[in-house]
Amino acid sequence: GENVEQHPSTLSVQEGDSAVIKCTYSDSASNYFPWYKQELGKRPQLIIDIRSNVGEKKDQRIAVTLNKTAKHFSLHITETQPEDSAVYFCAASINTGGFKTIFGAGTRLFVKA
Amino acid sequence: EADIYQTPRYLVIGTGKKITLECSQTMGHDKMYWYQQDPGMELHLIHYSYGVNSTEKGDLSSESTVSRIRTEHFPLTLESARPSHTSQYLCASTSGNTGELFFGEGSRLTVL
Repeated sequence: GENVEQHPSTLSVQEGDSAVIKCTYSDSASNYFPWYKQELGKRPQLIIDIRSNVGEKKDQRIAVTLNKTAKHFSLHITETQPEDSAVYFCAASINTGGFKTIFGAGTRLFVKA
Repeated sequence: EADIYQTPRYLVIGTGKKITLECSQTMGHDKMYWYQQDPGMELHLIHYSYGVNSTEKGDLSSESTVSRIRTEHFPLTLESARPSHTSQYLCASTSGNTGELFFGEGSRLTVL
């Protein structure tokens, strides 16, 4: 089955700096790659996603890149703010009549003011 | 308001008890999922369903069972709870068109 690895497990940055989180997946059939943000005590929420026919996607301060050949995808957050502090999960999903989504282990991001 | 609802939010029970965690969604979604997550840690897929009378086991072995008799309802049952079942259980759904998962607020289970 699909396996998603995520690095780093913890990331601490100064406010205004950029943060990068990297993931790899194992199943070449995966075709949908969402990123979720989970604040303390809250439910995970989608922040950005990318499909396998696209190499890069940007939404304001966040961007995601996908390298299908290497099975790598990354999340980039620019101009970080204290409210960006949360746990971020990457995921890989296979559409087999429905989306089966497997998550990475998560990255705990701390943004220091 | 369309949402996904889980009950109970918190439950403390003794070993050997049978429990059912309820999940209902008013989003009109046909795909539903159960994930197990220790707080702030990895989400493990334990069950999923693509429609009524369709259920599959996820990648994480689980002693729980699920049923899908109605589109909007996807309960999870533990026949005999053990301390190792202590965790948070998150229910999610998607329409299948986009793949975006919408999560409930979770049921935090403690087995003594």
